[in-house]
Amino acid sequence: QKEVEQDPGPLSVPEGAIVSLNCTYSNSAFQYFMWYRQYSRKGPELLMYTYSSGNKEDGRFTAQVDKSSKYISLFIRDSQPSDSATYLCAMRANQAGTALIFGKGTTLSVSS
Amino acid sequence: DTGVSQNPRHKITKRGQNVTFRCDPISEHNRLYWYRQTLGQGPEFLTYFQNEAQLEKSRLLSDRFSAERPKGSFSTLEIQRTEQGDSAMYLCASTPRDRLLNEQFFGPGTRLTVL
Repeated sequence: QKEVEQDPGPLSVPEGAIVSLNCTYSNSAFQYFMWYRQYSRKGPELLMYTYSSGNKEDGRFTAQVDKSSKYISLFIRDSQPSDSATYLCAMRANQAGTALIFGKGTTLSVSS
Repeated sequence: DTGVSQNPRHKITKRGQNVTFRCDPISEHNRLYWYRQTLGQGPEFLTYFQNEAQLEKSRLLSDRFSAERPKGSFSTLEIQRTEQGDSAMYLCASTPRDRLLNEQFFGPGTRLTVL
């Protein structure tokens, strides 16, 4: 079992839909939870990060962390065609070095 | 553009050849990371520098791989005697000194194809 599991999709939604992207993890030491967006043939772009449990909102994006279930989510409201990309979750444990542990990424396609 | 830059963007080489990639982090970012990403996978950590010191190396970084950051600014990643399994996107990221280590800003990557 990999440390971070993420459904690769693809996920196809119409413009304006609410999108839910999820990751599960096995390492209870993870404390920082990040979401990156990666367009085709580009480097990952940091969208937001959350420390420990709770919610964080940034514009149309909301990140949720449930440490008791080892489950994190990213919600995208009013999705746009420009949101079409691969979304990667990443995690880090404070005392376990600098490496971010990534999921495989979920490919999202938003059609107009 | 003041983001992380990487050169070359693409590299095609024959098995057994040596290749070197360069990363220029965002100015004033003292922490620098290398990752490798294969098709359909997330990035995998290779190594970490704080200023010129290489503080962490992944077990993925075999003896054929070496990374340097001689003056604490740009970094190079060299792969000796390349193998077909080395074909991947090599990503560089950096973090400023006043940010948490999880805030890693990635460059566009160097795509390596080993024939």
